Amino acid sequence: QQPVQSPQAVILREGEDAVINCSSSKALYSVHWYRQKHGEAPVFLMILLKGGEQKGHDKISASFNEKKQQSSLYLTASQLSYSGTYFCGTERTGTASKLTFGTGTRLQVTL
Amino acid sequence: DADVTQTPRNRITKTGKRIMLECSQTKGHDRMYWYRQDPGLGLRLIYYSFDVKDINKGEISDGYSVSRQAQAKFSLSLESAIPNQTALYFCATSDSIDIYNEQFFGPGTRLTVL
Repeated sequence: QQPVQSPQAVILREGEDAVINCSSSKALYSVHWYRQKHGEAPVFLMILLKGGEQKGHDKISASFNEKKQQSSLYLTASQLSYSGTYFCGTERTGTASKLTFGTGTRLQVTL
Repeated sequence: DADVTQTPRNRITKTGKRIMLECSQTKGHDRMYWYRQDPGLGLRLIYYSFDVKDINKGEISDGYSVSRQAQAKFSLSLESAIPNQTALYFCATSDSIDIYNEQFFGPGTRLTVL
């Protein structure tokens, strides 16, 4: 089952903040976040592991609520370059490194 | 040079034809994946391989087959292509020693089946 992402789409003005959410009905080992620009491959943003470890970029932050199986990606002071589609990928406990991706959140940053 | 390459980048074919999409990587990773992307559906896993002798079905393997010819090469075949296999296909790799299992994607192959 695919994780559920919300919102499906959001439009921001440059400098505004956004939060993208990812929710799963299954117990999770990790949550991955990727950004995809139109016509390009998904690019790694952030990985959060059960237990608190995380790996990601300095300008991107995210949280992982293990009890609720939810993750949120925080985009602050958005820039035009943040535009794209954001995907969360979830790795379930015991499924040996297989990711299930959500359907994506389309983010557009305007002047 | 790109670490994960896919060939061809674009392909148009007809219903019933056999098609092979190829993926090569120079990252030295042991794990490789094939995904398809359709508008509004995100990325869905077709097959994955954790080493040369290990092949596993993903969510949507029907109508597809794969071959792991070497650690660096993972091919996806459509034995008899049909129009609903029109999609963007991505190959990805990861390293089993990476506790984060970060996946690195190739540039994608856009396949159109007429």
